[in-house]
Amino acid sequence: GAVVSQHPSRVICKSGTSVKIECRSLDFQATTMFWYRQFPKQSLMLMATSNEGSKATYEQGVEKDKFLINHASLTLSTLTVTSAHPEDSSFYICSAPLAGGDPLEQFFGPGTRLTVL
Amino acid sequence: AQKVTQAQTEISVVEKEDVTLDCVYETRDTTYYLFWYKQPPSGELVFLIRRNSFDEQNEISGRYSWNFQKSTSSFNFTITASQVVDSAVYFCALSDMYSSASKIIFGSGTRLSIRP
Repeated sequence: GAVVSQHPSRVICKSGTSVKIECRSLDFQATTMFWYRQFPKQSLMLMATSNEGSKATYEQGVEKDKFLINHASLTLSTLTVTSAHPEDSSFYICSAPLAGGDPLEQFFGPGTRLTVL
Repeated sequence: AQKVTQAQTEISVVEKEDVTLDCVYETRDTTYYLFWYKQPPSGELVFLIRRNSFDEQNEISGRYSWNFQKSTSSFNFTITASQVVDSAVYFCALSDMYSSASKIIFGSGTRLSIRP
């Protein structure tokens, strides 16, 4: 089956630093990837749609300058949390459908838990 | 506007009991898709089912069953003879766009605890 990985699985950083989270489709190509944020005991909130070779589309209320997304290849999207603060501590999850496949059959990564001290 | 409401924040039942998780949705589109996902403590989302708006047939998969009723905009999920391994957070979700960038909107989730 299609597998999506995320790296790192956990990261702890100091306030003010930047953190990069990778989302990789291991055995398929993905022209689109989605980034979600999940606060403790809350739902998944879509942050942005990452598009290979073009700019990401951000949801309302998500700061594009703070959450930089780069989709440089058909198998990799990165989310960089710039100047992270404690309120950015969250569980970040990516998902991706197969390129050219059913766009609603999305494969989710295992998530990255970010803790900002 | 899309919206998914899971009114039950937490449910706790004893093993072998049946349990139903409620989901009510809102959408203006006539074509849409409904989902259920399971999120165990490990955090990774597990896909359970997808239903399109034109298929109101109920579905059964082992101990799991789903009741889709357009008249009440509900897509409820029932676990029969629950087991401890069913303990997880369950999300109902909705998508009403069928394109190369379909968005899935999640409900707030129901935390299900099965006590031995």
